[in-house]
Amino acid sequence: KAGVTQTPRYLIKTRGQQVTLSCSPISGHRSVSWYQQTPGQGLQFLFEYFSETQRNKGNFPGRFSGRQFSNSRSEMNVSTLELGDSALYLCASSTGLRETQYFGPGTRLLVL
Amino acid sequence: AQSVTQPDIHITVSEGASLELRCNYSYGATPYLFWYVQSPGQGLQLLLKYFSGDTLVQGIKGFEAEFKRSQSSFNLRKPSVHWSDAAEYFCAVAPVSGAGSYQLTFGKGTKLSVIP
Repeated sequence: KAGVTQTPRYLIKTRGQQVTLSCSPISGHRSVSWYQQTPGQGLQFLFEYFSETQRNKGNFPGRFSGRQFSNSRSEMNVSTLELGDSALYLCASSTGLRETQYFGPGTRLLVL
Repeated sequence: AQSVTQPDIHITVSEGASLELRCNYSYGATPYLFWYVQSPGQGLQLLLKYFSGDTLVQGIKGFEAEFKRSQSSFNLRKPSVHWSDAAEYFCAVAPVSGAGSYQLTFGKGTKLSVIP
């Protein structure tokens, strides 16, 4: 069974731009969660989607948004990028029934 | 608010030596507990998890962890470290109650270096 895939793996943007990251979960998984990893703040929960609905949300500004499609693939969007948004963005998928979350390799975003 | 503390930022051990990584949590009730490992440039891999029952949990790659309620700890151990264990290790907690997939709160991580 294929694992969680994230595209692109690396991304360079400039301040003020917006970016969209994609996550394809493991086949059969309906929950996708997003996490931000930075050297200063560590790993922080962004949000979780289940069956196309946002089910949980972390403490991030509204510039961070996401969505999930009917095939469970998820996208995360960050608008008006700031230097502090430079991070590794990880997504994790699960069945959504409080089972193990499996993480993808991440997308490394650099904001210049 | 819940929090996870990993007091050791960086640990260096010799190959073949034993290993213990510490994790303490602050939570209203006993949460679900996890250890993840992250190799450079990679995502997170689950080593083991504790939901309930036996407080000594066995995981992959020869790792085990012991839950101690009285100390709010969930320390990770391995009897003999291999060079391939060099990575960063994260302890995480999640609420037992609540809707949906659990929201993980992570510690800041412990970086493990292994000397040949």
